[in-house]
Amino acid sequence: AQSVTQPDIHITVSEGASLELRCNYSYGATPYLFWYVQSPGQGLQLLLKYFSGDTLVQGIKGFEAEFKRSQSSFNLRKPSVHWSDAAEYFCAVGAGGSYIPTFGRGTSLIVHP
Amino acid sequence: NAGVTQTPKFRILKIGQSMTLQCTQDMNHNYMYWYRQDPGMGLKLIYYSVGAGITDKGEVPNGYNVSRSTTEDFPLRLELAAPSQTSVYFCASSSGQGPTGGYTFGSGTRLTVV
Repeated sequence: AQSVTQPDIHITVSEGASLELRCNYSYGATPYLFWYVQSPGQGLQLLLKYFSGDTLVQGIKGFEAEFKRSQSSFNLRKPSVHWSDAAEYFCAVGAGGSYIPTFGRGTSLIVHP
Repeated sequence: NAGVTQTPKFRILKIGQSMTLQCTQDMNHNYMYWYRQDPGMGLKLIYYSVGAGITDKGEVPNGYNVSRSTTEDFPLRLELAAPSQTSVYFCASSSGQGPTGGYTFGSGTRLTVV
């Protein structure tokens, strides 16, 4: 079975600084990988996804993520953070053929002005 | 396009009471899911459905029941509410086979059992 780890519970950055949120997965083959964002009091919104092909994936709101098979990682990045990016971020992994992804515990992003 | 609609948004239950959380989607998605979200624990799958008339247990099904009589609706039933069921509940749907399309989430139901 697949699993996903988000090692950082909280991340604090200054507005305008770059951001990297870490995600590590465990699965024998190439999984489906996702990043979701949850604003306070809201449901989850899909930021980006990876299935195959180019390992650098572009998403909405200026986010990107890179799949690194050798490190079993799918880290989320943004070159310049805006105050509105403050939210909870979830990484999810779905095994090939499965329709039920497993979610990480989430990373809370705090943005200082 | 409403997407996934959950009702109610908030509810307080007394121990032992029952209730149904409603979930409706208008995207003709075959796959629907119920998750609960507890602080610092991410999302845990309660039940899921791959089509009308077909449901199956997820990771944490105890104390819950579901039904799927139509493609659009996937209600979650809580019988004999317990404080451990205090949580935020999310319904989601997806299209196609496999999670390739990602999920569309509802805005959640915040349930408190006292």
